Amino acid sequence: NAGVTQTPKFQVLKTGQSMTLQCAQDMNHNSMYWYRQDPGMGLRLIYYSASEGTTDKGEVPNGYNVSRLNKREFSLRLESAAPSQTSVYFCASSDRSHQPQHFGDGTRLSIL
Amino acid sequence: QQQVKQSPQSLIVQKGGISIINCAYENTAFDYFPWYQQFPGKGPALLIAIRPDVSEKKEGRFTISFNKSAKQFSLHIMDSQPGDSATYFCAASGNTGGFKTIFGAGTRLFVKA
Repeated sequence: NAGVTQTPKFQVLKTGQSMTLQCAQDMNHNSMYWYRQDPGMGLRLIYYSASEGTTDKGEVPNGYNVSRLNKREFSLRLESAAPSQTSVYFCASSDRSHQPQHFGDGTRLSIL
Repeated sequence: QQQVKQSPQSLIVQKGGISIINCAYENTAFDYFPWYQQFPGKGPALLIAIRPDVSEKKEGRFTISFNKSAKQFSLHIMDSQPGDSATYFCAASGNTGGFKTIFGAGTRLFVKA
């Protein structure tokens, strides 16, 4: 039972490049989340998905897009990376709305 | 009104001691208060949670104390162990016009052997 799996674990990008962070969960959860974690700021919600086909903006959605491909997968895309998006990104899932329970181990993203 | 203020930023406790982390909130619409534990290089893990209809919840060595009138809640770790050394986040969620979970800034706990 893998829980929440995120890929890649590390990535370095140049300003202006694009990339997609992948997330998959095997717990049959309806709710999935993308957070970013920056020093001294806790976790901030980027996007939330209550079910397949639905997504809602969180606190810091600018510069990001998401896709809930199916119940298992929820991807986060940076269309034109900026240095301010250097962060650790966490995907999470839950069987309760808006109450994240299980987190992946994160993607550490550096944008030069 | 959406903030959750957490203190202290860091905490050093002797093995066997009690670790206490405090959080305060403003929005009375919050009705679910979880705590998360995060080890270096890992994602947060849900540790324990409380709803405002009870004043205390205990799971093993971990206890949440909740003071609804003061809008404060705290995590107590009894008999703290070196393996408890981690970052702890409090959070709050509820019908705030979005039901989003708001996280505190985190407390880095170090338990000295």
